[in-house]
Amino acid sequence: GAGVSQSPRYKVAKRGQDVALRCDPISGHVSLFWYQQALGQGPEFLTYFQNEAQLDKSGLPSDRFFAERPEGSVSTLKIQRTQQEDSAVYLCASSLIGQATGELFFGEGSRLTVL
Amino acid sequence: GESVGLHLPTLSVQEGDNSIINCAYSNSASDYFIWYKQESGKGPQFIIDIRSNMDKRQGQRVTVLLNKTVKHLSLQIAATQPGDSAVYFCAEKPSGGYNKLIFGAGTRLAVHP
Repeated sequence: GAGVSQSPRYKVAKRGQDVALRCDPISGHVSLFWYQQALGQGPEFLTYFQNEAQLDKSGLPSDRFFAERPEGSVSTLKIQRTQQEDSAVYLCASSLIGQATGELFFGEGSRLTVL
Repeated sequence: GESVGLHLPTLSVQEGDNSIINCAYSNSASDYFIWYKQESGKGPQFIIDIRSNMDKRQGQRVTVLLNKTVKHLSLQIAATQPGDSAVYFCAEKPSGGYNKLIFGAGTRLAVHP
């Protein structure tokens, strides 16, 4: 597709359930990022992949959060035993590896609501 | 419907006026400063960036100004249109490595006809 695609767009989970959020980056984009955006706030970095390698996971808030990109394209963000504080929009972004500017291409996000 | 920012500072302008959105940043070691626009229910969209060794950059209807002395960034939008209504975030890219952006809190721009 032409842009970054995320699914599902909306997810409602009961506290304690596991969820999986999918990201399809722009074809050919080596870099892939996950960000978390709480209501009324700016996006906060979660993790970064270069191809299939997860080079930075410093932003993952707890060991309940896990991300993978096994073939260097599609990525999945998994949240285990969801808590109410996990409610947020999860944004995926991609960029070219040689892109030294600040331009990331974001998807529309997956809004997670934990009841 | 969804709202990106319910409690963000809001700048209200009349259609056709110029808008100025301001941002203070914290990391002197950043090599790029960037403005993103986020409409309700959508992901952030890149508007314009500026390298740390510049103080002004112009795009189509937008100008970004960087004042490193006071760590201040601003976005000027000329002839603001209803389609400019959105939340605007400044972001900084720390020097070196990949595009791990640090976003500011955001400002809501409301354009009135």
